[in-house]
Amino acid sequence: AQKITQTQPGMFVQEKEAVTLDCTYDTSDQSYGLFWYKQPSSGEMIFLIYQGSYDEQNATEGRYSLNFQKARKSANLVISASQLGDSAMYFCAMRVFHAGNNRKLIWGLGTSLAVNP
Amino acid sequence: DAEITQSPRHKITETGRQVTLACHQTWNHNNMFWYRQDLGHGLRLIHYSYGVQDTNKGEVSDGYSVSRSNTEDLPLTLESAASSQTSVYFCASSDGGQETQYFGPGTRLLVL
Repeated sequence: AQKITQTQPGMFVQEKEAVTLDCTYDTSDQSYGLFWYKQPSSGEMIFLIYQGSYDEQNATEGRYSLNFQKARKSANLVISASQLGDSAMYFCAMRVFHAGNNRKLIWGLGTSLAVNP
Repeated sequence: DAEITQSPRHKITETGRQVTLACHQTWNHNNMFWYRQDLGHGLRLIHYSYGVQDTNKGEVSDGYSVSRSNTEDLPLTLESAASSQTSVYFCASSDGGQETQYFGPGTRLLVL
């Protein structure tokens, strides 16, 4: 079954420290993509970072990096130097094929991150 | 700047009424999606489209319909609103390549 699991419903981190948000996935597809999105309390969904299944290097975008371990089927998000504005819900998602050549995103249930001053 | 907008942002309706939620994108993306977000369920795909005149059912499509007459718009219609359709609705669009989905601001729908 194609599935995304985020095992941490809630996380706390001290401002300026690094934090890792866990994401494990399950798919039999050879080609897939992994995404992280941020949803602040205002409600919008903000794309953060992408990792393709064939990408050998871990993706980085500013303070965000994706720790991709293909053999372990994990795609953890690392936020360095946390800021108060990082307090939000974070979703991991996986792009997979379904119904032939159609593609869709499978979503995890999210991790709520609170950054303490 | 390219963007994706949704209207209305908030809607209260009564059971049995037909409701249409608008989604408009200026990214010129071929792919458009509708999701609903509910506590404990995350984001669930309702309908999606890969281009003009193309529509496909997602995992929770019962009671919803879409049509795609141009690239920019994918309106979502609730044929006969039910209380179970109270939710936050997100529209998203993506293009080829890695197919990153970019989201609208969401519509909060309350069905009484």
